[in-house]
Amino acid sequence: GAVVSQHPSWVICKSGTSVKIECRSLDFQATTMFWYRQFPKQSLMLMATSNEGSKATYEQGVEKDKFLINHASLTLSTLTVTSAHPEDSSFYICSVVAGNILAKNIQYFGAGTRLSVL
Amino acid sequence: AQTVTQSQPEMSVQEAETVTLSCTYDTSESNYYLFWYKQPPSRQMILVIRQEAYKQQNATENRFSVNFQKAAKSFSLKISDSQLGDTAMYFCAFMKPPPISGTYKYIFGTGTRLKVLA
Repeated sequence: GAVVSQHPSWVICKSGTSVKIECRSLDFQATTMFWYRQFPKQSLMLMATSNEGSKATYEQGVEKDKFLINHASLTLSTLTVTSAHPEDSSFYICSVVAGNILAKNIQYFGAGTRLSVL
Repeated sequence: AQTVTQSQPEMSVQEAETVTLSCTYDTSESNYYLFWYKQPPSRQMILVIRQEAYKQQNATENRFSVNFQKAAKSFSLKISDSQLGDTAMYFCAFMKPPPISGTYKYIFGTGTRLKVLA
């Protein structure tokens, strides 16, 4: 099956610093990637849709200047949490939709990144 | 707007027994896709099964099968011969096929935490 690599799996940072999370599609070209946030024992909350070569589309209530998304290639999207604060501590998950198996409309997920802001 | 409801926050089942997780959704669309994803303690989201709304036949994947009732907007997951490794959070997801230049957003339910007992 499709493989999505997300790095790092866990990061601890000081308040006020920025953290970058990478999402790589290893097996296929991903024209669309998604970024989710998940609080403990809750469902996934879509933050933004990342399209290769264009600006990301953010969901209502998500600060685009806070959560910077870059999708510079068909295999890599990054999420940067700028000036992180303790309330940004959460589990962040990326997913990809493969351009060559569009008919299946399946999202393949990364293993997630646990962000802890001190 | 589409909504997905999972009315069972937690369930438990004895090993080797059968369990059914419920999912209902609300949409005015006639063509869409439904998914069940599993999130084990590792938090890696794994696709369990997928159903296209235009197909009357219920999808099956080994021990996993669905009961898709389009008129009732119901999409339940049946797990047969439950195994300890089935212990996980299970999310139901709805996806409306995008227009030509659109995206593949999922709408997730709130999840059902399933515990398989030895």
